[in-house]
Amino acid sequence: NAGVMQNPRHLVRRRGQEARLRCSPMKGHSHVYWYRQLPEEGLKFMVYLQKENIIDESGMPKERFSAEFPKEGPSILRIQQVVRGDSAAYFCASSQGTGGLSEQYFGPGTRLTVT
Amino acid sequence: QQPVQSPQAVILREGEDAVINCSSSKALYSVHWYRQKHGEAPVFLMILLKGGEQKGHEKISASFNEKKQQSSLYLTASQLSYSGTYFCGTEDKAAGNKLTFGGGTRVLVKP
Repeated sequence: NAGVMQNPRHLVRRRGQEARLRCSPMKGHSHVYWYRQLPEEGLKFMVYLQKENIIDESGMPKERFSAEFPKEGPSILRIQQVVRGDSAAYFCASSQGTGGLSEQYFGPGTRLTVT
Repeated sequence: QQPVQSPQAVILREGEDAVINCSSSKALYSVHWYRQKHGEAPVFLMILLKGGEQKGHEKISASFNEKKQQSSLYLTASQLSYSGTYFCGTEDKAAGNKLTFGGGTRVLVKP
């Protein structure tokens, strides 16, 4: 039973370029969450999606960041015109349901470096 | 506002016990505990939903006091494999279904 898949695992972008991070949830999971983690810090919630819907994007910066979870294919976190401050590990997690009874399973993360 | 974890770090000898606390200023629906090793993804340990409920995972157990809005994670007879950073994630009644994570507690178990 494959776990949460993320790719790429490492991504290097120059300032001003675009970064696309992909996340395939566990089989049978329809809820996807994106988190950002700076070195030696905790996980910061960014966005929560279900298929074709953004449920909560209260943690997403208002500009340059967007997320989608299409009917077919992986969830994508897109960062336009990256800046050095975007360098971080980005984790996605998936769950089968929602609410307190549903544990979230994390992918291995994408480590974004902006030069 | 994120939950507060204490202590920030703890060093143990193999076989010793430790307690990690997670406190929130908000009324909580559930508390989730994760462990993350350096450079790896967080790994789910357990969810606590009801007040006073205790759950266990190997020799790691946790309690949730809904009235006090806090949870505690108990590492019993620690093993070297318990080393890592432990995060609590809280789900509060006002914020919907997302988790808000604490700053983490670094645990180092030495032989």
